[in-house]
Amino acid sequence: EPEVTQTPSHQVTQMGQEVILRCVPISNHLYFYWYRQILGQKVEFLVSFYNNEISEKSEIFDDQFSVERPDGSNFTLKIRSTKLEDSAMYFCASSGKGGRLLYGYTFGSGTRLTVV
Amino acid sequence: AQTVTQSQPEMSVQEAETVTLSCTYDTSENNYYLFWYKQPPSRQMILVIRQEAYKQQNATENRFSVNFQKAAKSFSLKISDSQLGDTAMYFCAFMDRMNRDDKIIFGKGTRLHILP
Repeated sequence: EPEVTQTPSHQVTQMGQEVILRCVPISNHLYFYWYRQILGQKVEFLVSFYNNEISEKSEIFDDQFSVERPDGSNFTLKIRSTKLEDSAMYFCASSGKGGRLLYGYTFGSGTRLTVV
Repeated sequence: AQTVTQSQPEMSVQEAETVTLSCTYDTSENNYYLFWYKQPPSRQMILVIRQEAYKQQNATENRFSVNFQKAAKSFSLKISDSQLGDTAMYFCAFMDRMNRDDKIIFGKGTRLHILP
């Protein structure tokens, strides 16, 4: 079964450093997403991306965050200057087109980001 | 704005028993999807079951079934013959089908413990 792959599974970074979280969506999917889950809390939508641009973002997704699809397979989330409160589990997801859920809406296994 | 409420932060049941997890939601839309996701200790988000709002018939997947009450905006999950492997965090979630970007809105979750 096709999977969304996220790397690394766990990243530790110093406060103020830039971090890039990587995702490889399912190959024929066209919509891409990032979600965040602070430990013990609910999963929150960050951003959706379609046709090489952001289509929607939440209030969490401020100027410190950016997303990119640098090539035909990767989808990245960059945090420019990490803060302690950015420590969370970050999930990537992708979905197909048309009757999108018919083509699946799949989450990756997540990247645990720890800012120290 | 749509909201999802899970009123049971934590539940415990004995193995082989039946357990019901509650979820209510608020929306002015008529066309949407509802989901239950399971998050085991590995933190991966696993789709358990999905319900389309236009379908009156309750969705079932093996031991998992839902009680979808559209007028009451209620969407509970029933797990029959519970197993130790069902121990996990369970999230109720909502997607507006008319939203181009298909972002998912999650509840705060119910932590379920299956006791041997």
